[in-house]
Amino acid sequence: EAGVAQSPRYKIIEKRQSVAFWCNPISGHATLYWYQQILGQGPKLLIQFQNNGVVDDSQLPKDRFSAERLKGVDSTLKIQPAKLEDSAVYLCASRQGHISGNTIYFGEGSWLTVV
Amino acid sequence: SQQGEEDPQALSIQEGENATMNCSYKTSINNLQWYRQNSGRGLVHLILIRSNEREKHSGRLRVTLDTSKKSSSLLITASRAADTASYFCATGQKSGGSYIPTFGRGTSLIVHP
Repeated sequence: EAGVAQSPRYKIIEKRQSVAFWCNPISGHATLYWYQQILGQGPKLLIQFQNNGVVDDSQLPKDRFSAERLKGVDSTLKIQPAKLEDSAVYLCASRQGHISGNTIYFGEGSWLTVV
Repeated sequence: SQQGEEDPQALSIQEGENATMNCSYKTSINNLQWYRQNSGRGLVHLILIRSNEREKHSGRLRVTLDTSKKSSSLLITASRAADTASYFCATGQKSGGSYIPTFGRGTSLIVHP
């Protein structure tokens, strides 16, 4: 079974530039998460989708971050304009349904450095 | 704010020794999960324990859950150098009918060969 795919793996941009990360979840997984993980910390939820609807985006800095999940499959996370403090790993994860017992599968992450 | 908090923040042991990590949380949960993260990689699910379970085993892993103390522990027996990684607990909470996993800061485990 293919895992959660993310790209690009690494990205270096200057502050005020924009960047987009792509995620392809495991086939058939209805729930998709984007997490931000700053070095030395645990992952922080940015946004959760159930199919193509947003379930929770309360911690998404909406003035600069946006995310979409068209057709309930792939998802894109965009940052525009980027700030130095956005340097982090952006993790995408997916889960089969909305039942709490399902395992969450993570991608390898997209590493962002803002200079 | 993060729900689960692991301790210790860092743990250094010799190969063959046991490693114990603890996780404390603040509000009621549906379940608690432990994940491992190798340097530069994504998180890998290790084990899930439900709120009505007290102990669970998976290979060299043993997880306990004490809901009265709002705490969980992860024991890795007979550790190996390959166990070197960060370990996170994630507590599951329901929000608006959906499931929101919230992670702690993690325990960094180093196993010396």
